Amino acid sequence: AQKITQTQPGMFVQEKEAVTLDCTYDTSDPSYGLFWYKQPSSGEMIFLIYQGSYDQQNATEGRYSLNFQKARKSANLVISASQLGDSAMYFCAMREGPGGTSYGKLTFGQGTILTVHP
Amino acid sequence: DSGVTQTPKHLITATGQRVTLRCSPRSGDLSVYWYQQSLDQGLQFLIHYYNGEERAKGNILERFSAQQFPDLHSELNLSSLELGDSALYFCASSVVLAGGPGELFFGEGSRLTVL
Repeated sequence: AQKITQTQPGMFVQEKEAVTLDCTYDTSDPSYGLFWYKQPSSGEMIFLIYQGSYDQQNATEGRYSLNFQKARKSANLVISASQLGDSAMYFCAMREGPGGTSYGKLTFGQGTILTVHP
Repeated sequence: DSGVTQTPKHLITATGQRVTLRCSPRSGDLSVYWYQQSLDQGLQFLIHYYNGEERAKGNILERFSAQQFPDLHSELNLSSLELGDSALYFCASSVVLAGGPGELFFGEGSRLTVL
């Protein structure tokens, strides 16, 4: 079974509007972390936002927020006020376990290509 | 700039050959991770080194090996290359802080093409 599922291969949004990128996950570990990374066409992976499984509040980082619904096992990324530079591939990823040797062992989804139109 | 340096950025080689990819982590980071990104498999964790010791292995082929040196740089060795090994190979480093997210900082990747 897929541990991280991103069901939207591609998304389009108008500049200055908000967009939500979906991510669902599957784990039986009570301690886990959820990450979103951005990969522009140049190829580098850029960390955007993190949500821990025990965090009470949804994570926010500037224009990025994570809509964390633990019971539904979803961790959707919301980008507000989209900019042309937001056009990229976006990956949701999960780390299972509290850390230690699993700290950087992430399982990635297949990604969603976001295109921002002017 | 993430602070993680990978060389070479691009590499073209033939089947059956051996290549070495190099990674220098961010200053102060003791952990180095290798990931492979291919069209069919997506992004996959390969291996993790912490301060010179192997800590975790993922879907790494037996033809692949890695090591981390005393100066903390790491090398990923790929041998008996096959067409399917063509991919973008990422190195990432992290600082492990209690209670911290432990986000990975990725290098720009080494794009390997096997002909």
